Amino acid sequence: DQQVKQNSPSLSVQEGRISILNCDYTNSMFDYFLWYKKYPAEGPTFLISISSIKDKNEDGRFTVFLNKSAKHLSLHIVPSQPGDSAVYFCAASGTGGTSYGKLTFGQGTILTVHP
Amino acid sequence: GAVVSQHPSRVICKSGTSVKIECRSLDFQATTMFWYRQFPKKSLMLMATSNEGSKATYEQGVEKDKFLINHASLTLSTLTVTSAHPEDSSFYICSATKRGLASTDTQYFGPGTRLTVL
Repeated sequence: DQQVKQNSPSLSVQEGRISILNCDYTNSMFDYFLWYKKYPAEGPTFLISISSIKDKNEDGRFTVFLNKSAKHLSLHIVPSQPGDSAVYFCAASGTGGTSYGKLTFGQGTILTVHP
Repeated sequence: GAVVSQHPSRVICKSGTSVKIECRSLDFQATTMFWYRQFPKKSLMLMATSNEGSKATYEQGVEKDKFLINHASLTLSTLTVTSAHPEDSSFYICSATKRGLASTDTQYFGPGTRLTVL
């Protein structure tokens, strides 16, 4: 039962353009969402997060949008740079009860930014 | 930022032996550490949650007798894969959350340990 889904296994973008990575979730108890970037044979690096009380959070070139009614979030990277090429994981957690702090990850999307 | 280290980064062992992986938070005290496993081209799967001074909480389907977790201090958690078999070969990653922050603690991940069981 995949509670967090990233349906696009890969995305290819030209340098300077916008990269949009999508993520859907099914568990309505999730109320905190995060994006991580991961290089092969390394641990994930935290990028940006959003609480369910917001619909947008921005940090430099990275913006995360949350649509609670659609149970959908997206990560926008603009402008995209070749150094952004990596695997991007969407993760979700619920802050209540036994789910506190536990992250459920999507399958990841491989982003390739071409010069 | 917050730095989490793992040791070793890579280990190859014979079937039937036990392997210990260490996870350390280098510049902060971690109330909670998590252990994940990642299969090739798959998502990270949470194995267990480790709180300092108490027993780890294992996710459904994870054998607690096979994957022993010890969280001896606020900066160190260890995962021991006992009687390892080839199907235990995987990429094991730990993460740690800082002490005293709000409930939406960010998890900081270690670099991972590649275990290969021959």
